[in-house]
Amino acid sequence: DVKVTQSSRYLVKRTGEKVFLECVQDMDHENMFWYRQDPGLGLRLIYFSYDVKMKEKGDIPEGYSVSREKKERFSLILESASTNQTSMYLCASSLTSAIGELFFGEGSRLTVL
Amino acid sequence: AQSVTQLDSHVSVSEGTPVLLRCNYSSSYSPSLFWYVQHPNKGLQLLLKYTSAATLVKGINGFEAEFKKSETSFHLTKPSAHMSDAAEYFCVRMDSSYKLIFGSGTRLLVRP
Repeated sequence: DVKVTQSSRYLVKRTGEKVFLECVQDMDHENMFWYRQDPGLGLRLIYFSYDVKMKEKGDIPEGYSVSREKKERFSLILESASTNQTSMYLCASSLTSAIGELFFGEGSRLTVL
Repeated sequence: AQSVTQLDSHVSVSEGTPVLLRCNYSSSYSPSLFWYVQHPNKGLQLLLKYTSAATLVKGINGFEAEFKKSETSFHLTKPSAHMSDAAEYFCVRMDSSYKLIFGSGTRLLVRP
C-alpha cells in the first residue's frame, strides 16, 4: 500500500514563527501536493511538484513556500506564520497527473496563536 | 469558472436506508470526475472515478455514481447505509491541466 506520512499531526505555533511541515511518500511517485482544508471550503491547492527541485503554485500560494530536494519528500514552509494560516494541511502524492488518483496523508492540524 | 458544487453540506440517514449525496459540475467538456471520502482524523481516500467510459461507475464499499451529462450531475449513491459510512465526502473534477478541483464537502451522518 502507498503510504504518505506527515511528520506532525498537531502543531501549535505563535504568530511570526517559521513553520515546517514535512511529508514523505514511499511509492516513488512523481507528483506531490500540499492542500489546505477548511470547513465549508473543501480542499484548496497551495503548491505542487512534478519532479525533484520543481515546484508550481497552486490556487492559494501566498504566505507559503515549498521544497523538494528528494523525490520522496515534499516540505511546506510558512516563513512567518499568521493566525489566518490556522488550518488542516494535507499532503498527497500521485503516480501521474492524468490518472487523478491522489494518496493522502492523515493531515497536520496547525494552530497559530 | 469551471467548478464543482455539492448541494448539501450535511446529510443524515438511518442505518439500512439509501444514501444520496448530490454533486453538480460546470465544464465546457465532459470532465473526469471523482468521489473521495474522508473518515474522521484520516486522509482522503478515492471512492470511485469517472473517465468517460461507462456512465455508471462502481466504487468501493458498495458506492456508485452516475454521470449525467444532460443534468451536469455526478451524484453518489449507496442502497443501504452502514454506520461505518459516516464520513465527509468530496466530489472532485479534474481541470484541463490535470489539477483536481474539490467541492466543499458533504458530511454524512448515519443514525442507528
